[in-house]
Amino acid sequence: GQQLNQSPQSMFIQEGEDVSMNCTSSSIFNTWLWYKQDPGEGPVLLIALYKAGELTSNGRLTAQFGITRKDSFLNISASIPSDVGIYFCAGPHSGAGSYQLTFGKGTKLSVIP
Amino acid sequence: NAGVTQTPKFQVLKTGQSMTLQCAQDMNHNSMYWYRQDPGMGLRLIYYSASEGTTDKGEVPNGYNVSRLNKREFSLRLESAAPSQTSVYFCASALFRGPNNEQFFGPGTRLTVL
Repeated sequence: GQQLNQSPQSMFIQEGEDVSMNCTSSSIFNTWLWYKQDPGEGPVLLIALYKAGELTSNGRLTAQFGITRKDSFLNISASIPSDVGIYFCAGPHSGAGSYQLTFGKGTKLSVIP
Repeated sequence: NAGVTQTPKFQVLKTGQSMTLQCAQDMNHNSMYWYRQDPGMGLRLIYYSASEGTTDKGEVPNGYNVSRLNKREFSLRLESAAPSQTSVYFCASALFRGPNNEQFFGPGTRLTVL
């Protein structure tokens, strides 16, 4: 089945630094979704991407839909302590299964004040 | 708008007991989902309901049943709980129109089976 590989698995950064993480697949995706999960909470949708090459921003977050449609990137600029959490990428199954999303295993971000 | 709500927030069961996890959404979404989240395993789909009146199995359906009660509500039932079902359970909903697959999640139910 479709799999999404996220890297890095975890990262420790200093407050104020920029962060970059990515998500890759061996299959083509038509949509890329990025979620953030705070400790003890449910995932929250950050950014949705629908077109290859698309670059979308949400505040200090920027995400890109890779040209090959097999990858996506999420950047966070000038990190702050509340950026701590797990970031998941997700994409819909193809064809009749498109009601379902495949999720990556997440990138766990820790910010050192 | 409350979005997606789940009850209870926490639950402890003994092996063999049954319980129902409740989920409701007020966004007029068509599709609803139940996931479980375990350390290192990410989010795994248990069951989903593409639209009112339909339900389908996901990746890990064994030991669970679901009911799409109406457009707003989707419940998950554990008939005979096992320790392997200790997990955090999330409900999600999606409008699912055109290319829009965006799912919105509830706050989760933390279940421990002893």
